[in-house]
Amino acid sequence: AQRVTQPEKLLSVFKGAPVELKCNYSYSGSPELFWYVQYSRQRLQLLLRHISRESIKGFTADLNKGETSFHLKKPFAQEEDSAMYYCALSGQWGSQGNLIFGKGTKLSVKP
Amino acid sequence: DAGVTQSPTHLIKTRGQQVTLRCSPKSGHDTVSWYQQALGQGPQFIFQYYEEEERQRGNFPDRFSGHQFPNYSSELNVNALLLGDSALYLCASSRNRDTATNEKLFFGSGTQLSVL
Repeated sequence: AQRVTQPEKLLSVFKGAPVELKCNYSYSGSPELFWYVQYSRQRLQLLLRHISRESIKGFTADLNKGETSFHLKKPFAQEEDSAMYYCALSGQWGSQGNLIFGKGTKLSVKP
Repeated sequence: DAGVTQSPTHLIKTRGQQVTLRCSPKSGHDTVSWYQQALGQGPQFIFQYYEEEERQRGNFPDRFSGHQFPNYSSELNVNALLLGDSALYLCASSRNRDTATNEKLFFGSGTQLSVL
């Protein structure tokens, strides 16, 4: 079964500390992985996708097919990173229309 | 560009009633996807519309139906409402590509449906 698991509901770190939001997936094929973010009072928006291999707002994520993971990392957390983060996968390469989302992790960065 | 707009923002219905939610995609987008987000959960894919036809469907009963109009706007209809249908309904739009490399999904703010 296709599934995305985000084991932490809440992750609390201090400003300047490293942060890692965990994401594991189950999919029999070659999925495309994404991280979406929702800041307070804002819409859900794409943060990054694994095929782009880019760093957005200091965040990176590496697809580990062996461990079926796509953890989101940032070396030094900022207060403005506080938000809800969702990991998602698409089984249809190149299409984000049919996404399978995890339950999300709320990141709280304390001053 | 207002982005993806959804109406209404909030809606209260009773069990057994029918509801219609509306979505206008971002300018230049031709594909609309609908998601249901229950409290404390991630969004769950309902279906996607392109060229006025349902192209993909998630694991939702036939009580959930949709429509896409020639101007690319879309409606989500839910019949015979159940208490469990209470959720935030999100619309997302994108531009269809045969070989998508930079396709990006834009979400609306959602319609909060409460079924009493």
